[in-house]
Amino acid sequence: QSVLTQPPSVSGAPGQRVTISCSGSSSNIGADYDVNWYQQLPGTAPRLLIYINTNRPSGVPDRISGSKSGTSASLAISGLQAEDEAVYYCQSYDINLSGAIFGGGTQLTVL
Amino acid sequence: QITLQESGPTLVKPTQTLTLTCSFSGFSLTSSGVGVGWIRQAPGKALEWLAFIYWDDDMRYRPSLRSRVTIVKDSSKDRVVLTMTNVDPGDTGTYFCVYSHEVDYTDIFDSWGQGSLVTVSS
Repeated sequence: QSVLTQPPSVSGAPGQRVTISCSGSSSNIGADYDVNWYQQLPGTAPRLLIYINTNRPSGVPDRISGSKSGTSASLAISGLQAEDEAVYYCQSYDINLSGAIFGGGTQLTVL
Repeated sequence: QITLQESGPTLVKPTQTLTLTCSFSGFSLTSSGVGVGWIRQAPGKALEWLAFIYWDDDMRYRPSLRSRVTIVKDSSKDRVVLTMTNVDPGDTGTYFCVYSHEVDYTDIFDSWGQGSLVTVSS
């Protein structure tokens, strides 16, 4: 069971907008630690998508955005495309673990 | 361009010791804020942070694995080695070597190796 909680799956039609939530606690996100997001395509290594809550590395389109509030964070993807179909993970730092923690992952299906 | 490449056995027997090597290029592990370490993924499961070593020789381990895992760096050869003792089938998975930089205690995992699949079975 992951320290950060994500929905197992979300779906949307091409062109639509979806959001993926990441729920933490007072020992991680709620303690004001930053959240990063990763995309993992089938059979490949994860790729950094969002860092420090809202920032996009070069090459990540601006239709992908991140936010954080309280003990939770969210990833939003607008203008859904077939290539967005992947598993998405949130990640932060936990005081109790003294290290990085990941969410359980969310499978995004483009209908 | 940052690259990381994992190497090691694909099959290990229970109770044996697993040794994985990460060879990297495109950065120095002596640069401030930089870390290299290991994140694994059991088949069909989520990512699990294992151990990292940092530019200042700081080492951090997943508490539940601390007694079995050791991470060392060889900066002169641009390599990081993970050793895991007394493996069992629950250690089966893909082991990724990862480059990170730290911002306010939170590691940002910027670059990943392709991963090394390790199966623990007799």
